[in-house]
Amino acid sequence: DTEVTQTPKHLVMGMTNKKSLKCEQHMGHRAMYWYKQKAKKPPELMFVYSYEKLSINESVPSRFSPECPNSSLLNLHLHALQPEDSALYLCASSQDPGFSPLHFGNGTRLTVT
Amino acid sequence: DAKTTQPTSMDCAEGRAANLPCNHSTISGNEYVYWYRQIHSQGPQYIIHGLKNNETSEMASLIITEDRKSSTLILPHATLRDTAVYYCIVRAYYNQGGKLIFGQGTELSVKP
Repeated sequence: DTEVTQTPKHLVMGMTNKKSLKCEQHMGHRAMYWYKQKAKKPPELMFVYSYEKLSINESVPSRFSPECPNSSLLNLHLHALQPEDSALYLCASSQDPGFSPLHFGNGTRLTVT
Repeated sequence: DAKTTQPTSMDCAEGRAANLPCNHSTISGNEYVYWYRQIHSQGPQYIIHGLKNNETSEMASLIITEDRKSSTLILPHATLRDTAVYYCIVRAYYNQGGKLIFGQGTELSVKP
């Protein structure tokens, strides 16, 4: 079990669909992260939220839209994705954005058809 | 953040110590060495981090050379459940707003 909960565990969507990935933590952490991981590759950083504000966007295409409604929740809104966006999407949190270790969820396995 | 170099894969016999090396020859003074691992179908798991002194956690020990250009993660008594990809990451203290950038990692296989 992890302290970072991601839903859904699996998602299949068409290229014209709109869907959202959700991430929740109740550890009082003030930084939250989205990573993308393709098969047999390391996780790649997408976004960092620090104190509920977007602090880092690693040049991610606009079809991925992050949202941090409050300090415990992180969403990733998906629209008009491509098949190559199929991957494991990992959420993480840390006590602060600069130094503390990251705690990861087990990810959402996304398939775009 | 400094780049790290790790062997692509390693094997270890169950019950023996697993020693995972990492080179970070361009590490600078304010950069820490972090280790994470990722068991198949799970998210990465934090193991340990250090600056220049040796560190020990419940799971592992971290040995950093005096010149800080390399380090070794030691799992003292490896079990089958330690089979995973192990990532060595150099991360600057409070720089770059929290970036944690993964390299290729070492795939450790613990065999009976």
